[in-house]
Amino acid sequence: GNSVTQMEGPVTLSEEAFLTINCTYTATGYPSLFWYVQYPGEGLQLLLKATKADDKGSNKGFEATYRKETTSFHLEKGSVQVSDSAVYFCALSGTNAGKSTFGDGTTLTVKP
Amino acid sequence: ETGVTQSPTHLIKTRGQQVTLRCSSQSGHNTVSWYQQALGQGPQFIFQYYREEENGRGNFPPRFSGLQFPNYSSELNVNALELDDSALYLCASSHQGTGVTYEQYFGPGTRLTVT
Repeated sequence: GNSVTQMEGPVTLSEEAFLTINCTYTATGYPSLFWYVQYPGEGLQLLLKATKADDKGSNKGFEATYRKETTSFHLEKGSVQVSDSAVYFCALSGTNAGKSTFGDGTTLTVKP
Repeated sequence: ETGVTQSPTHLIKTRGQQVTLRCSSQSGHNTVSWYQQALGQGPQFIFQYYREEENGRGNFPPRFSGLQFPNYSSELNVNALELDDSALYLCASSHQGTGVTYEQYFGPGTRLTVT
Protein backbone atom coordinates (compact mmCIF):
# COMPACT_ATOMS: atom_id res chain seq x y z
CA GLY A 1 0.00 0.00 0.00
CA ASN A 2 0.88 3.65 -0.02
CA SER A 3 3.08 5.13 2.67
CA VAL A 4 4.87 8.39 3.48
CA THR A 5 7.98 8.73 5.62
CA GLN A 6 9.06 12.08 7.01
CA MET A 7 12.25 12.99 8.79
CA GLU A 8 11.84 12.75 12.51
CA GLY A 9 11.54 15.93 14.49
CA PRO A 10 11.39 18.13 16.22
CA VAL A 11 13.42 20.61 14.21
CA THR A 12 14.60 23.79 15.90
CA LEU A 13 16.11 26.62 13.83
CA SER A 14 17.08 30.21 14.33
CA GLU A 15 15.26 32.89 12.38
CA GLU A 16 16.57 33.31 8.80
CA ALA A 17 18.08 29.80 8.76
CA PHE A 18 17.62 27.43 5.81
CA LEU A 19 14.98 24.73 6.23
CA THR A 20 14.81 21.25 4.77
CA ILE A 21 12.26 18.66 5.84
CA ASN A 22 12.73 15.33 4.10
CA CYS A 23 9.84 13.29 2.75
CA THR A 24 9.95 10.02 0.85
CA TYR A 25 7.06 7.93 -0.34
CA THR A 26 6.00 4.51 -1.53
CA ALA A 27 3.12 4.30 -3.98
CA THR A 28 1.97 2.58 -7.12
CA GLY A 29 1.59 4.63 -10.25
CA TYR A 30 1.99 8.38 -10.26
CA PRO A 31 0.62 9.92 -7.08
CA SER A 32 0.02 13.59 -6.39
CA LEU A 33 2.17 14.94 -3.56
CA PHE A 34 1.32 17.55 -0.95
CA TRP A 35 2.70 19.49 1.98
CA TYR A 36 0.24 20.60 4.64
CA VAL A 37 0.88 22.85 7.64
CA GLN A 38 -0.91 22.68 10.99
CA TYR A 39 -0.67 25.61 13.37
CA PRO A 40 -1.41 25.03 17.06
CA GLY A 41 -5.10 24.40 17.69
CA GLU A 42 -6.00 24.52 14.01
CA GLY A 43 -6.80 22.12 11.19
CA LEU A 44 -4.51 21.40 8.28
CA GLN A 45 -3.86 23.94 5.54
CA LEU A 46 -2.57 23.00 2.12
CA LEU A 47 0.86 24.60 1.72
CA LEU A 48 1.82 23.38 -1.75
CA LYS A 49 1.33 20.50 -4.15
CA ALA A 50 2.80 18.80 -7.21
CA THR A 51 0.90 16.46 -9.46
CA LYS A 52 3.56 15.00 -11.76
CA ALA A 53 7.24 14.19 -11.83
CA ASP A 54 9.65 17.17 -11.86
CA ASP A 55 6.86 19.60 -10.93
CA LYS A 56 7.84 22.18 -8.32
CA GLY A 57 5.22 23.33 -5.88
CA SER A 58 5.76 26.66 -4.17
CA ASN A 59 3.94 28.96 -1.76
CA LYS A 60 4.92 31.57 0.85
CA GLY A 61 8.63 31.00 0.19
CA PHE A 62 8.37 27.21 0.60
CA GLU A 63 9.27 24.91 -2.28
CA ALA A 64 9.23 21.18 -2.97
CA THR A 65 10.10 19.26 -6.14
CA TYR A 66 8.49 15.96 -7.13
CA ARG A 67 11.41 13.56 -7.67
CA LYS A 68 10.15 10.27 -9.04
CA GLU A 69 13.62 8.75 -9.38
CA THR A 70 14.23 9.11 -5.64
CA THR A 71 10.53 8.97 -4.62
CA SER A 72 11.00 12.16 -2.66
CA PHE A 73 9.29 15.50 -2.09
CA HIS A 74 11.51 17.44 0.30
CA LEU A 75 10.25 20.75 1.68
CA GLU A 76 12.65 23.72 1.63
CA LYS A 77 12.64 27.37 2.60
CA GLY A 78 15.56 29.71 2.27
CA SER A 79 14.92 31.86 5.33
CA VAL A 80 12.48 30.79 8.04
CA GLN A 81 10.54 33.13 10.30
CA VAL A 82 9.17 32.68 13.81
CA SER A 83 5.70 32.59 12.26
CA ASP A 84 6.68 29.40 10.36
CA SER A 85 6.66 27.45 13.64
CA ALA A 86 4.11 24.67 13.10
CA VAL A 87 3.76 20.98 12.28
CA TYR A 88 4.38 20.07 8.64
CA PHE A 89 2.83 17.00 7.01
CA CYS A 90 3.80 15.37 3.75
CA ALA A 91 1.00 13.48 1.99
CA LEU A 92 0.16 11.67 -1.23
CA SER A 93 -2.96 10.68 -3.09
CA GLY A 94 -4.12 9.13 -6.32
CA THR A 95 -6.59 11.01 -8.49
CA ASN A 96 -8.72 11.78 -5.42
CA ALA A 97 -7.03 14.17 -3.01
CA GLY A 98 -9.74 13.41 -0.48
CA LYS A 99 -8.24 9.97 0.09
CA SER A 100 -4.75 11.01 1.12
CA THR A 101 -2.05 9.14 2.99
CA PHE A 102 -0.09 11.27 5.44
CA GLY A 103 3.28 11.10 7.13
CA ASP A 104 3.55 11.51 10.87
CA GLY A 105 4.48 15.16 10.72
CA THR A 106 7.57 17.18 11.59
CA THR A 107 7.40 19.87 14.25
CA LEU A 108 9.32 23.02 13.39
CA THR A 109 10.20 25.61 15.99
CA VAL A 110 11.87 28.82 14.85
CA LYS A 111 13.55 30.93 17.54
CA PRO A 112 14.18 34.67 17.19
CA GLU B 1 -17.20 32.05 0.98
CA THR B 2 -17.68 29.92 4.10
CA GLY B 3 -14.94 27.43 4.95
CA VAL B 4 -15.28 23.96 6.43
CA THR B 5 -16.82 23.99 9.89
CA GLN B 6 -17.04 21.22 12.48
CA SER B 7 -18.97 20.73 15.68
CA PRO B 8 -18.52 20.29 18.51
CA THR B 9 -15.00 21.59 19.15
CA HIS B 10 -14.37 19.28 22.08
CA LEU B 11 -16.18 16.24 23.40
CA ILE B 12 -15.67 13.89 26.33
CA LYS B 13 -17.32 10.47 26.26
CA THR B 14 -17.17 7.29 28.27
CA ARG B 15 -16.00 3.95 26.88
CA GLY B 16 -18.90 2.08 25.29
CA GLN B 17 -20.90 5.20 24.45
CA GLN B 18 -21.77 6.46 20.99
CA VAL B 19 -20.80 9.81 19.47
CA THR B 20 -21.84 11.90 16.45
CA LEU B 21 -19.56 14.52 14.94
CA ARG B 22 -20.74 17.04 12.36
CA CYS B 23 -19.17 18.77 9.41
CA SER B 24 -20.35 21.45 7.00
CA SER B 25 -18.50 21.45 3.72
CA GLN B 26 -17.14 24.49 1.96
CA SER B 27 -19.47 26.24 -0.44
CA GLY B 28 -19.35 24.60 -3.89
CA HIS B 29 -17.90 21.32 -2.63
CA ASN B 30 -19.78 18.04 -3.01
CA THR B 31 -17.43 15.60 -1.25
CA VAL B 32 -16.52 15.12 2.40
CA SER B 33 -13.65 13.04 3.79
CA TRP B 34 -13.10 12.15 7.43
CA TYR B 35 -9.72 11.57 9.05
CA GLN B 36 -8.59 10.49 12.52
CA GLN B 37 -5.45 12.15 13.89
CA ALA B 38 -4.06 10.52 17.01
CA LEU B 39 -1.71 12.58 19.18
CA GLY B 40 1.70 12.94 17.55
CA GLN B 41 0.65 11.22 14.33
CA GLY B 42 -0.56 12.19 10.90
CA PRO B 43 -4.20 12.02 9.87
CA GLN B 44 -5.52 8.59 8.85
CA PHE B 45 -8.27 8.32 6.24
CA ILE B 46 -11.51 6.93 7.66
CA PHE B 47 -13.91 7.27 4.72
CA GLN B 48 -15.24 9.63 2.08
CA TYR B 49 -18.79 10.55 1.08
CA TYR B 50 -19.80 11.67 -2.39
CA ARG B 51 -23.37 12.21 -3.52
CA GLU B 52 -24.62 10.88 -0.19
CA GLU B 53 -22.87 7.52 -0.56
CA GLU B 54 -19.68 6.13 0.91
CA ASN B 55 -16.93 6.44 -1.67
CA GLY B 56 -14.04 4.53 -0.16
CA ARG B 57 -13.02 3.54 3.36
CA GLY B 58 -9.71 3.21 5.14
CA ASN B 59 -8.74 0.56 7.66
CA PHE B 60 -11.43 1.34 10.22
CA PRO B 61 -14.03 -1.07 11.68
CA PRO B 62 -17.75 -0.89 10.86
CA ARG B 63 -18.53 0.85 14.16
CA PHE B 64 -17.25 3.95 12.34
CA SER B 65 -20.08 5.03 10.06
CA GLY B 66 -21.18 8.17 8.33
CA LEU B 67 -23.81 10.07 6.46
CA GLN B 68 -23.88 12.80 3.88
CA PHE B 69 -26.92 15.01 3.47
CA PRO B 70 -28.34 16.66 0.32
CA ASN B 71 -26.65 19.95 1.26
CA TYR B 72 -23.32 17.98 1.32
CA SER B 73 -22.85 18.31 5.07
CA SER B 74 -21.82 15.12 6.83
CA GLU B 75 -21.83 13.22 10.08
CA LEU B 76 -19.35 10.76 11.53
CA ASN B 77 -20.79 8.26 13.99
CA VAL B 78 -18.72 6.05 16.24
CA ASN B 79 -20.39 3.28 18.26
CA ALA B 80 -19.05 1.36 21.24
CA LEU B 81 -16.30 3.90 21.91
CA GLU B 82 -12.89 2.60 22.92
CA LEU B 83 -10.07 4.43 24.69
CA ASP B 84 -8.02 4.33 21.46
CA ASP B 85 -10.71 6.36 19.70
CA SER B 86 -9.44 9.41 21.55
CA ALA B 87 -8.12 11.67 18.79
CA LEU B 88 -8.68 14.79 16.72
CA TYR B 89 -11.27 14.05 14.02
CA LEU B 90 -10.80 16.12 10.91
CA CYS B 91 -13.29 16.72 8.15
CA ALA B 92 -12.15 17.83 4.72
CA SER B 93 -14.25 18.92 1.77
CA SER B 94 -13.44 18.89 -1.91
CA HIS B 95 -15.12 19.03 -5.27
CA GLN B 96 -15.32 15.98 -7.47
CA GLY B 97 -16.31 16.28 -11.08
CA THR B 98 -15.60 13.82 -13.85
CA GLY B 99 -11.85 14.21 -13.48
CA VAL B 100 -9.25 14.54 -10.80
CA THR B 101 -9.78 16.03 -7.36
CA TYR B 102 -6.61 17.94 -6.61
CA GLU B 103 -7.32 19.72 -3.36
CA GLN B 104 -9.15 19.24 -0.11
CA TYR B 105 -9.84 21.82 2.56
CA PHE B 106 -9.82 20.93 6.23
CA GLY B 107 -11.97 22.04 9.10
CA PRO B 108 -10.51 22.82 12.54
CA GLY B 109 -11.37 19.39 13.91
CA THR B 110 -13.24 17.91 16.84
CA ARG B 111 -11.15 16.74 19.80
CA LEU B 112 -12.72 13.55 21.20
CA THR B 113 -11.59 12.21 24.55
CA VAL B 114 -12.80 8.77 25.66
CA THR B 115 -12.44 7.97 29.35
